[in-house]
Amino acid sequence: AQTIHQWPVAEIKAVGSPLSLGCTIKGKSSPNLYWYWQATGGTLQQLFYSITVGQVESVVQLNLSASRPKDDQFILSTEKLLLSHSGFYLCAWSLGEQYFGPGTRLTVL
Amino acid sequence: GQQVQQSPASLVLQEGENAELQCNFSSTATRLQWFYQHPGGRLVSLFYNPSGTKHTGRLTSTTVTNERRGSLHISSSQTTDSGTYFCAIANSGGSNAKLTFGKGTKLSVKS
Repeated sequence: AQTIHQWPVAEIKAVGSPLSLGCTIKGKSSPNLYWYWQATGGTLQQLFYSITVGQVESVVQLNLSASRPKDDQFILSTEKLLLSHSGFYLCAWSLGEQYFGPGTRLTVL
Repeated sequence: GQQVQQSPASLVLQEGENAELQCNFSSTATRLQWFYQHPGGRLVSLFYNPSGTKHTGRLTSTTVTNERRGSLHISSSQTTDSGTYFCAIANSGGSNAKLTFGKGTKLSVKS
């Protein structure tokens, strides 16, 4: 069975500080991977996608970056957080239908 | 780009009542997916339904692709159905199955 794990579960960070969020998929070889962002009470917006190791495409510019260092790992990061980065970050995998991880709740103060 | 409209925005039901959630989209879609988001944030896929009708338990998803609409029917609602339901559309069969999400329907089922 496939499992998708995200870390950390939640973060509280200061404006201007760096951030790294992680996502790992087990039990599925070479899936397409996605990062989504959801503002509190809002809808989901796709940020990045990756179809293979080392290759990431940006969908929306939010002063964030993403990397896929391994087939089963997807990383979202920034060197300098903004207040507007607060929200819920979800990782997803797909070989057709999309399945989502448990998410990371980020609060930027 | 693709736009996804969901209605109603919110809905309050008494336990046992039925609900019909609507999803309309602006461009031809290759796939429609319904999600349920738990109050804590976890997003669960309910249906992956490019066209036609699918059933799972008390849930029924119907997609009419050429009319650019979909619906999610919940029968005999329960308090545990409370949460937010999202419709998401992809209009590409390519490598980036970019899902465009609607704003969701917030459902509250009271006992």
